[in-house]
Parts: sequence; C-alpha cells; structure tokens
Amino acid sequence: QSALTQPASVSGSPGQSITISCTGTRNDIGTYNFVSWYQQHPGKVPKLMIYEVTNRPSGVSDRFSGSKSGNTASLTITGLRAEDEADYYCASYTSDTTVFFGGGTRLTVL
Amino acid sequence: QVQLLESGGGLVKPGGSLRLSCAASGFTFTDYYMTWIRQAPGKGLEWVSYISSAATVIVYAESVKGRFTISRDTARSSLYLQMNNLRAEDTAMYYCVRAPSRGRVGRYFFDSWGQGTLVTVSS
Repeated sequence: QSALTQPASVSGSPGQSITISCTGTRNDIGTYNFVSWYQQHPGKVPKLMIYEVTNRPSGVSDRFSGSKSGNTASLTITGLRAEDEADYYCASYTSDTTVFFGGGTRLTVL
Repeated sequence: QVQLLESGGGLVKPGGSLRLSCAASGFTFTDYYMTWIRQAPGKGLEWVSYISSAATVIVYAESVKGRFTISRDTARSSLYLQMNNLRAEDTAMYYCVRAPSRGRVGRYFFDSWGQGTLVTVSS
C-alpha cells in the first residue's frame, strides 16, 4: 500500500476554478467513501475541508466541493481567492483498515 | 470549544523512547476515535495510528508497527503514544487529532487537530 497520488502543484488566477486530483486504487478510494481533504497554510495546523467525499464541515465555504469517480477523488475550488493559497492533502481509508494521505498539492494563486 | 493539547516531544537519540500525551477537552472524549498524525519537516502528512472510542480497535501504520503503542485514558480524557526504538525518520511534528464516529464505527476523517509536539531523533 502506498500514498495516494496528487499533483505536486496547481495554480490559478483569482476568480478562476481549479481541481486537485487524488488517485488511489480499488483498495481505498475505489471502494470506500471515506475520502477527506485538508487545507494547510504554511506553519499552520491542517484544517478539514471535505469529508466522506462530498460533505463540507460547518464554516467551510461552499466554493469548496469534493467528488469521486472510480479510483480518483477530486477537490474543486471555485472563485479562487488569495487566501486559498495553501497545501492541500487528500486522505482515504483502506481495505487493510489503515488510512493513507496523498503527498500533497501546493496551490498557488497567481 | 474543542481543545487538544499535546506534550512530551523533544530530542531523543536513535533507539531511544518517548511518550507523547494529549489532553482533550470541550467534547465527550468517549464518543470519538482518536488518532496520531505526523509531519516531517517540510514534508506531507502521514497517518500513524488510531484507537476506537472504546479502545477495542487499534491500528498502526506499517512504518511504526511493533515500535509505537497508542492508548487512551477515559478518566483523564487523554490520548497517548508510546514510541520505542526511535529512528531518524520518526523526526516530525506529531498531531493529536479527533476522528468522528457513528456509534462505535469509525468514519475516518479528522475534524479537530492539536497544535502538535515536535519529536527530533538525532545523535
């Protein structure tokens, strides 16, 4: 079992939309809906943005949304803002009852 | 409000041991799974271990299995991580993190994080 695969970096201009992918296998994302996404600003603690593939915790902007197709989950951010610039991590439960994180994606707002 | 306060980190030599503690408050401790997640300097997040609300289910990452032991004390609303035979690659910030459950079944996402405690393994 290895970490989930995310692009190292993505970028977008203010107001645009971006999507970050998270590719796993049938042993994790492909089977379970326990996919979550976390935002981490430099020097800060990670923050839960999406849980169980599509759910947003209270207080998280509806500009953030999650989805899944097959073995790949995605985080989409619409109406990009400067404060969205951060690292984003996906995570998934796996068939051997462990949890794996993706390697992280650095989002740059141009 | 939810508070998770870690302690016990520090500098330790390879092969040494440390015990991390996490004091939880602001929520019903027995309703939640608890986890440890770590982050090496400049690197990504790595899940380490989780323990179910009743401590009946305990799972470890392969990288720490056999060396780390997670436990919880309901009376003290505290989570622990005993780390033995530490290696340089265990150097990281260790976060105590709450994980919601539905009844006794885990939901495997992490909704509240402590500020972390830094563990450095070096000779």
